Amino acid sequence: KAGVTQTPRYLIKTRGQQVTLSCSPISGHRSVSWYQQTPGQGLQFLFEYFSETQRNKGNFPGRFSGRQFSNSRSEMNVSTLELGDSALYLCASSLRTSGNTGELFFGEGSRLTVL
Amino acid sequence: AQSVTQPDIHITVSEGASLELRCNYSYGATPYLFWYVQSPGQGLQLLLKYFSGDTLVQGIKGFEAEFKRSQSSFNLRKPSVHWSDAAEYFCAVGAGQGSYIPTFGRGTSLIVHP
Repeated sequence: KAGVTQTPRYLIKTRGQQVTLSCSPISGHRSVSWYQQTPGQGLQFLFEYFSETQRNKGNFPGRFSGRQFSNSRSEMNVSTLELGDSALYLCASSLRTSGNTGELFFGEGSRLTVL
Repeated sequence: AQSVTQPDIHITVSEGASLELRCNYSYGATPYLFWYVQSPGQGLQLLLKYFSGDTLVQGIKGFEAEFKRSQSSFNLRKPSVHWSDAAEYFCAVGAGQGSYIPTFGRGTSLIVHP
């Protein structure tokens, strides 16, 4: 069973540009969550999508957005990039059934550097 | 809202020594607890989880953790550390059935000396 796939793995952008990151969840997983990981702030929850709808949202500005497609694949977008957006962006998928309890399966992340 | 504290930012142990990583949580009811490990350049991998029942849970790679309600703790242990255990370890707490977004601690970086 293939794991969570994130693309691209590495990218470099300049301030003011925008970026789109992609995440393909484990087959059968309909929930996709996004996290930002930085040395200073640790793991910060961005948002969660389930059945193409955003179900939960963290405390990030509107420059951070996402969407989910009918095949459960998800993208997140960051507009007007700032230096502080440099981070490892992690995607995680889960079953999100009534018996599920928050266990997440993570991808390897997309490393964004903003110059 | 739930919260997690990992008091140790870095832990250094010698290969073959025992290990204990601390985790304290704050939540009003019985939480769902997780330990994840992140190797350099990788995503997070679940080591073990506690939902209910036996308070000592076994995980992968020889790790175990014990849930202590009286101390609001869920410490991770391993009797003999291997050099390949060097990684970042994250404790996480979920708010129970139907809560799909766990709260993560800041992580503890494990350094293993030969």
